[in-house]
Amino acid sequence: DAKTTQPNSMESNEEEPVHLPCNHSTISGTDYIHWYRQLPSQGPEYVIHGLTSNVNNRMASLAIAEDRKSSTLILHRATLRDAAVYYCILYNAGNMLTFGGGTRLMVKP
Amino acid sequence: AAGVIQSPRHLIKEKRETATLKCYPIPRHDTVYWYQQGPGQDPQFLISFYEKMQSDKGSIPDRFSAQQFSDYHSELNMSSLELGDSALYFCASSLRSGVSYEQYFGPGTRLTVT
Repeated sequence: DAKTTQPNSMESNEEEPVHLPCNHSTISGTDYIHWYRQLPSQGPEYVIHGLTSNVNNRMASLAIAEDRKSSTLILHRATLRDAAVYYCILYNAGNMLTFGGGTRLMVKP
Repeated sequence: AAGVIQSPRHLIKEKRETATLKCYPIPRHDTVYWYQQGPGQDPQFLISFYEKMQSDKGSIPDRFSAQQFSDYHSELNMSSLELGDSALYFCASSLRSGVSYEQYFGPGTRLTVT
């Protein structure tokens, strides 16, 4: 399985932008880049996904490198509610999600 | 909007007992997934069903079995429970024929084996 590499933890101030990096140098052409997050004591939550182009939704933006070997999840204004573990996952339709090595984001007031 | 429903939310069992966890996917979703999350660990995939047929199998012990019923709800049956089975069990659903295939997770069932 293609693997991803993320920092173990990151810290941000409230209301500032946060850039969460992910490396996936062995990504295949059919892999989508999905981001999920898990808030304390809750189930994982879908955040955003992309294939080649940058993507925006109401929660975040996803910037994908031209060679697709890395991507960055962007939270435009971090809030305390955004404190969670963020997982970058390479995903093919209908397959299981392989969680591992996410980034624990801490948001300071 | 309707979300994934899991029951019970909490369950306490003794060693060697059996447990049944239930999952009700989002209406019209055709795929159900089960994940296990031990204390301080990442969620690990157990098994999935697409249109009531087993689709993929992960690190699910032989003591566990699961099925998806005609109304698309799914049940995870766990027998001969061990202390190490204490974990959060999440069910997720998705629409495989959809565009983006994102999975929607339920709130989880916390199983404690004593």
